[in-house]
Amino acid sequence: DIQMTQSPASLSASLGETVTIECLASEDIYSNLAWYQQKPGKSPQLLIYYANSLNDGVPSRFSGSGSGTQYSLKINSLQSEDVSIYFCQQNYDSPYTFGAGTKLELK
Amino acid sequence: EVQLVESGGGLVQPGRSMKLSCAASGFTFSNYGMAWVRQAPTKGLEWVATISYDGSSTYYRDSVKGRFTISRDNAKSTLYLQMNSLRSEDTATYYCTRDKRRVCDYWGQGVMVTVSS
Repeated sequence: DIQMTQSPASLSASLGETVTIECLASEDIYSNLAWYQQKPGKSPQLLIYYANSLNDGVPSRFSGSGSGTQYSLKINSLQSEDVSIYFCQQNYDSPYTFGAGTKLELK
Repeated sequence: EVQLVESGGGLVQPGRSMKLSCAASGFTFSNYGMAWVRQAPTKGLEWVATISYDGSSTYYRDSVKGRFTISRDNAKSTLYLQMNSLRSEDTATYYCTRDKRRVCDYWGQGVMVTVSS
């Protein structure tokens, strides 16, 4: 199975700040990487697919980048509604494994 | 508006069976693959199974292979997950998701399954 190592596990940032979350795959996943946001008590929602494609309706302050085994999610100008847990997922090879999540809180 | 509504969860004893359903609306169900993803309490996400748009292909994670069966009824726009020989480690919230090239682009609200004696 492909292992997805996500960092940091938790993150505290101020409103308006830029934050970056990293995801490292145990092998090349050829940009088959998605990012999801899970707000407290809610279902996950797709933010980014194919490493850098923004899903419909997702604010442009979210962006994804990376290739090979290293990927990142960047949130510009942090808003209060961005408080969530963020997960990466490789969809290159079954089983389609997720990272352990990054809990983003406001400072 | 895409809607996925799961049902059928609850408390079940180890070794028993349970069947989850997911009613889909707001899109042409028969055009999309579908998947189940689960999340144990306070834990991360775990892909469980995927079924192709026409039901001809199914894929499972190893830990549920031979115990769980994913199926669909395109006439009813409904996805199913038959779970047999349930174990305590199957305790989780189960999410029905729409599969778009192996990406879960829509998620249901989830249904809780608790396996305990």
